[in-house]
Amino acid sequence: SQELEQSPQSLIVQEGKNLTINCTSSKTLYGLYWYKQKYGEGLIFLMMLQKGGEEKSHEKITAKLDEKKQQSSLHITASQPSHAGIYLCGADIGGGSNYKLTFGKGTLLTVNP
Amino acid sequence: GAVVSQHPSWVICKSGTSVKIECRSLDFQATTMFWYRQFPKQSLMLMATSNEGSKATYEQGVEKDKFLINHASLTLSTLTVTSAHPEDSSFYICSARDALAGVLDTQYFGPGTRLTVL
Repeated sequence: SQELEQSPQSLIVQEGKNLTINCTSSKTLYGLYWYKQKYGEGLIFLMMLQKGGEEKSHEKITAKLDEKKQQSSLHITASQPSHAGIYLCGADIGGGSNYKLTFGKGTLLTVNP
Repeated sequence: GAVVSQHPSWVICKSGTSVKIECRSLDFQATTMFWYRQFPKQSLMLMATSNEGSKATYEQGVEKDKFLINHASLTLSTLTVTSAHPEDSSFYICSARDALAGVLDTQYFGPGTRLTVL
């Protein structure tokens, strides 16, 4: 079964608009990772969150991890065409020596100029 | 960030042949490397985890005799698809974890290898 649920599956926004992508787990997460992928290419690391309530920002992208460490959101402010791609949340559901990074199905973001 | 390379970036082969894909960490040591498979419009599925100098751990449903993984050094892991068939056609992505980055380190990904089996 899919352990990480991402929503929405796809998103089309107009350039300049804000958007949010969500990632939810039924299990406590030991680490939550956000990656960006362009179709047919590798993954680009964006951010990692580990503590409940943690929030990180890089340029116009902000990611948060809730207090229970079961849900994360990725927020893009004033989107640009360069933000287009597939956003994947990955989570360590094992922790420590049982580290294993599994992924949600991804969110396809299209930004129209 | 750290760099992971894969070679080749794409390969086309005939059914029944074997194909080897290399994964290298270029500027860091990776005690653990991961191999993923991705089908069109789907997420990454973990195939196996390999630790340097030991046998790989395969995920449920992944045939270890078909997907041979070797992690001979801290910077190189190889995936060999043996007796490839058209259903093995996919996008294979390797990933490496920096051994010196601490407990909550980051997993870096290669650019992927697209395998097409005719």
